[in-house]
Amino acid sequence: DSGVTQTPKHLITATGQRVTLRCSPRSGDLSVYWYQQSLDQGLQFLIHYYNGEERAKGNILERFSAQQFPDLHSELNLSSLELGDSALYFCASSPTLLQVLGTDTQYFGPGTRLTVL
Amino acid sequence: AQTVTQSQPEMSVQEAETVTLSCTYDTSESDYYLFWYKQPPSRQMILVIRQEAYKQQNATENRFSVNFQKAAKSFSLKISDSQLGDAAMYFCAYRSGVYNQGGKLIFGQGTELSVKP
Repeated sequence: DSGVTQTPKHLITATGQRVTLRCSPRSGDLSVYWYQQSLDQGLQFLIHYYNGEERAKGNILERFSAQQFPDLHSELNLSSLELGDSALYFCASSPTLLQVLGTDTQYFGPGTRLTVL
Repeated sequence: AQTVTQSQPEMSVQEAETVTLSCTYDTSESDYYLFWYKQPPSRQMILVIRQEAYKQQNATENRFSVNFQKAAKSFSLKISDSQLGDAAMYFCAYRSGVYNQGGKLIFGQGTELSVKP
């Protein structure tokens, strides 16, 4: 158990709908990262939040957005869902003193399996 | 942009034997970190081992060790005394140590390792 929790574990929804994925980082971790794992794209970085602020964006669609709240949990919002959004979405956290950003190890949550029908 | 390549989609090893998984990467940076993550059928991403680019000594964690060849940009994982529980997908990942590059992980395509009893 990495200490990172994600809810829900599974989500089945229809095209055009909107869903919210939730992540609670390890106690004390300030950074939250979101990744998408799909068969055709592999594991891809989506977005990074540090202590409530967006730090970096990757291949994240405009239909997707995220935020990190004062208690450090994060939510990934996916809207106007398409069949191709079906994937496993991971959240990872790390302690991250910002000045030494690259040195941290990221610990992954169990993921949320999203199926869009 | 940095890239990570795993050229072996599948590998197989006999229980108790040794297997080496290959990974190459491309970067113009001198400060970076390399990781191997394991993803068993449960889909949980588990850190196996990590290597700092500035360290010449190869990292070792119990039965897992790496062969880090910085000039060749190669980072292979050796698993000794393979066990049935080692069967999983293994991902090689790169992380920049440059502050303004953020902390995102760049993953290879993965190598599916099967262990035969």
